[in-house]
Amino acid sequence: GAVVSQHPSWVICKSGTSVKIECRSLDFQATTMFWYRQFPKQSLMLMATSNEGSKATYEQGVEKDKFLINHASLTLSTLTVTSAHPEDSSFYICSQQGGGNQPQHFGDGTRLSIL
Amino acid sequence: TQLLEQSPQFLSIQEGENLTVYCNSSSVFSSLQWYRQEPGEGPVLLVTVVTGGEVKKLKRLTFQFGDARKDSSLHITAAQPGDTGLYLCAGSITGGGNKLTFGTGTQLKVEL
Repeated sequence: GAVVSQHPSWVICKSGTSVKIECRSLDFQATTMFWYRQFPKQSLMLMATSNEGSKATYEQGVEKDKFLINHASLTLSTLTVTSAHPEDSSFYICSQQGGGNQPQHFGDGTRLSIL
Repeated sequence: TQLLEQSPQFLSIQEGENLTVYCNSSSVFSSLQWYRQEPGEGPVLLVTVVTGGEVKKLKRLTFQFGDARKDSSLHITAAQPGDTGLYLCAGSITGGGNKLTFGTGTQLKVEL
């Protein structure tokens, strides 16, 4: 069964809207969470890494004020796309890792479409 | 900069054929994983390899990690339509904090 629940699965909204995506761990406590973005027919690109109780570490080229990440508990991480524009339309995927050499478990992704 | 290059990028074959997907890098990885992703879903882990030269089998899928831990291959025997999907390799670099670097991806289509 699924160990990571991502919600919503699909969002369509107007330009300028802020959108929050939730990533929940169902089976374990995740000390580290990762957020990825995937454009059509492309691979996953890491956006940021967050550790419970501390600030997220963003990859080069990812605006931290644009993509707000909150990892307030061991079972929930949120990604907020602020003032979204059409170029932010993409497939956003989270993953969680219990720590050490544990594999990452991926959510089913959120399709974000900005009109 | 994409650290992991996969080839081929696209592959369309008939049911029953064999195929090999390659994942190459100039970097050394502490571990390497293979995932399969279907449209509208997250990647699903197939295997993790950690030792240079390691070979793992998962039914009709055979995974190999290069001796120098810089490359890997995925071989599928007697492909079936259910094997259709995007295959992704992903590596962890020692000291990289468990971050995964994903390969460029191989889109496989198996037709009847």
